[in-house]
Amino acid sequence: GESVGLHLPTLSVQEGDNSIINCAYSNSASDYFIWYKQESGKGPQFIIDIRSNMDKRQGQRVTVLLNKTVKHLSLQIAATQPGDSAVYFCAESGRNNAGNMLTFGGGTRLMVKP
Amino acid sequence: EAGVTQFPSHSVIEKGQTVTLRCDPISGHDNLYWYRRVMGKEIKFLLHFVKESKQDESGMPNNRFLAERTGGTYSTLKVQPAELEDSGVYFCASSPDRGNYGYTFGSGTRLTVV
Repeated sequence: GESVGLHLPTLSVQEGDNSIINCAYSNSASDYFIWYKQESGKGPQFIIDIRSNMDKRQGQRVTVLLNKTVKHLSLQIAATQPGDSAVYFCAESGRNNAGNMLTFGGGTRLMVKP
Repeated sequence: EAGVTQFPSHSVIEKGQTVTLRCDPISGHDNLYWYRRVMGKEIKFLLHFVKESKQDESGMPNNRFLAERTGGTYSTLKVQPAELEDSGVYFCASSPDRGNYGYTFGSGTRLTVV
């Protein structure tokens, strides 16, 4: 797959358990954050986003938490399924970024054991 | 609706050769972005087009890279001459307007320079 040779942190969870993937960011001017899922051979797929005026946002089986004080973002996946196995990236964009450029984190590989 | 299409999906070239990557954005999307992930590193922004104009090319690594978007439709990214460190996966994304951060990525082109 696309990530061969890339040394990513890996989270291994049992099917049905909850997963928590963490991300730290450094730019205090960032005001928009996104989580992407990337499966082998595919591009990043949007999962959920959150703006800096919120600290929590929920979607279907996913929740994003934002802690601006410590510049930390997390993605929680409830009842993890084998289809959730992928590499997950956080990305951020700042209010001074007029061009919508995203800055990506390094990624975390999620492996779901049946 | 067709997604973002990238061609080729894989390319293996020798150092010093030229390669041209193509991206077809979602029809009607004025904003087109190029990103890449080189081995062992995170996904990084290369440049942003609004229609046929380069809005931001601050991420282009050097003058061996040339991006074009004639007519504001598809875009090409040419690497000439290719170097070993150019190996990686090149992603294209598009969005309908500057305020829509949740843009759609293509599946990427894996470039290997040998």
